[in-house]
Amino acid sequence: DIQMTQSPSSVSASVGDRVTITCRASPGIRSWLAWYQQKPGKAPELLIYAASTLQSGVPSRFSGSGSGTDFTLTISSLQPEDFATYFCQQANSFPITFGQGTRLEIK
Amino acid sequence: QVQLVESGGGVVQPGGSLRLSCTASGFTFSSYAMHWVRQAPGKGLEWVAFIRYDGNNKNYADSVKGRFAISRDNSNNTVFLQMNSLKTEDTAVYYCAKDLIGTVTWYFHHWGQGTLVTVSS
Repeated sequence: DIQMTQSPSSVSASVGDRVTITCRASPGIRSWLAWYQQKPGKAPELLIYAASTLQSGVPSRFSGSGSGTDFTLTISSLQPEDFATYFCQQANSFPITFGQGTRLEIK
Repeated sequence: QVQLVESGGGVVQPGGSLRLSCTASGFTFSSYAMHWVRQAPGKGLEWVAFIRYDGNNKNYADSVKGRFAISRDNSNNTVFLQMNSLKTEDTAVYYCAKDLIGTVTWYFHHWGQGTLVTVSS
């Protein structure tokens, strides 16, 4: 199985900050990576797919990059509604696997 | 707009069975692969099962293989998850999810609200 490891597992930040979350895949997954945002009690929402393609309707302050084994999700200027948990997911091969999640908290 | 509504969750004893349903609207259901993804309380996400748009290709996580079965009824826009021989570790919120585009991509575009399955004696 492909192992997806996110870091950090939690991060505290303030409104207006730039935040970067990292996801490492082992073995590599080319660009078959998605990022999701999940708020408490809600279903996840797709933010980015194919490592860097912004899903329609997602604010442009979100961006993704990387290929192979190392990927990043960047939020350029945090807004109050961005405080949530973020998951990466590989779509390269079965079984589909997710990272353990990164909780983004208000400082 | 796309809507996915799960039902069928509840409390069941270990070894028991449940059948989850997910009814879709707002898109051409018969053109999209569908998935089930679960989330144990306070934990991360785990992909469970996939079914191709026509029902002719299915795949399962090892943790449920041989116990769970995914199926679909394209005439009624519904996908099912039959869960047998349930274990306490199957306790989770179960989400159905629609694939991003018609050709399966393994990206989960739209999600239902989830249905809670609790396996406990």
